Amino acid sequence: SQQGEEDPQALSIQEGENATMNCSYKTSINNLQWYRQNSGRGLVHLILIRSNEREKHSGRLRVTLDTSKKSSSLLITASRAADTASYFCAAKTSYDKVIFGPGTSLSVIP
Amino acid sequence: DTAVSQTPKYLVTQMGNDKSIKCEQNLGHDTMYWYKQDSKKFLKIMFSYNNKELIINETVPNRFSPKSPDKAHLNLHINSLELGDSAVYFCASSQDVLAGTLWGPDTQYFGPGTRLTVL
Repeated sequence: SQQGEEDPQALSIQEGENATMNCSYKTSINNLQWYRQNSGRGLVHLILIRSNEREKHSGRLRVTLDTSKKSSSLLITASRAADTASYFCAAKTSYDKVIFGPGTSLSVIP
Repeated sequence: DTAVSQTPKYLVTQMGNDKSIKCEQNLGHDTMYWYKQDSKKFLKIMFSYNNKELIINETVPNRFSPKSPDKAHLNLHINSLELGDSAVYFCASSQDVLAGTLWGPDTQYFGPGTRLTVL
């Protein structure tokens, strides 16, 4: 089964609203990363949060990590049409293995 | 300059053929990866090389053979292509964890992908 699993699988919101995506994982991790993939493109790294951190910000992005619940969330505030993409979490396990979740497809409607 | 490049971008071929996908990174990274992304966008790691040495080899048919002539290149050769091999293949690279970078260790930089279609 997958290490990282995002929910929801698909999310559609109006421009200006906030978008929240969640990721759950199964084993101990060293860090968890979020990536964005625009249609037809490779993945682009957004933010990394270490296992000893609880929250991290980068511009309009806010990531939280709850190691007791083995979950992370990505919040995009004041969404824009350009945020339309698929978002993946990637959990780096204690064995130095990085496992990607299936992704959340975000559509921001202008 | 493109950080991680792959060629070709599109590859259409018949079942049974042998094909190669090339990957190059100019970031000076130590580790390179191959991923397969299926039609449902699920991304699965296939191989990882660190300084030309294989460090991750997931359950991948042995028709897939990676080759790393130097640490800036990781090519993927596929023999006897099957319909189920149709997918987008991504190459990626990252800096050695011990070194760290301005962007933070473990960050992976992805190539644009190669869309393989097997007919």
